[in-house]
Amino acid sequence: AQKITQTQPGMFVQEKEAVTLDCTYDTSDQSYGLFWYKQPSSGEMIFLIYQGSYDEQNATEGRYSLNFQKARKSANLVISASQLGDSAMYFCAMREGLMIYNQGGKLIFGQGTELSVKP
Amino acid sequence: DAGITQSPRHKVTETGTPVTLRCHQTENHRYMYWYRQDPGHGLRLIHYSYGVKDTDKGEVSDGYSVSRSKTEDFLLTLESATSSQTSVYFCAISEPGGAKNIQYFGAGTRLSVL
Repeated sequence: AQKITQTQPGMFVQEKEAVTLDCTYDTSDQSYGLFWYKQPSSGEMIFLIYQGSYDEQNATEGRYSLNFQKARKSANLVISASQLGDSAMYFCAMREGLMIYNQGGKLIFGQGTELSVKP
Repeated sequence: DAGITQSPRHKVTETGTPVTLRCHQTENHRYMYWYRQDPGHGLRLIHYSYGVKDTDKGEVSDGYSVSRSKTEDFLLTLESATSSQTSVYFCAISEPGGAKNIQYFGAGTRLSVL
């Protein structure tokens, strides 16, 4: 069964430094997608970045990059030049399989990592 | 921001009462989802819909039912609320037509069952 593991319940980083949030996944499928979401204290879920299992290059979106190591089944989120506004809960999620009509692209989420950025 | 509105945003109810949460979207996306978020569990899928009147169960569907009579509305019903259903409920939408199929979330509904 597919599973997402985030082993860091909480992390601290100094402002302007880079930080890596770990995510490992388990799936027997060859086709899957990996997502990272941010949840600030206000509660909304904000999409950050996506990596497809067949993508050869690591995904990047501004200060966010995804360190995708397929053989190790890891999809770590790297935030460069941390800002105070990056303090939030971060969730890794996986969609298994292809987008078939009635499959719906269901997401499996990890338990999250709470990131605190220190000034 | 994706046009997703969840209502109510907060609700307190008593055990045994029926509760309906509404998700309304203005994006005309085909897929809609209901998740619940509990401490230590991340988000877990309750039910999802892949079209009008087309729904299916997710990981934690017991005690919940859904309905989708229009593209824009997806209702989640707790037929007889229990304290274990105290949670934050999120609606999400997505549209197929690409590998990503990113899900965008509503602001959430905080439900307390006393």
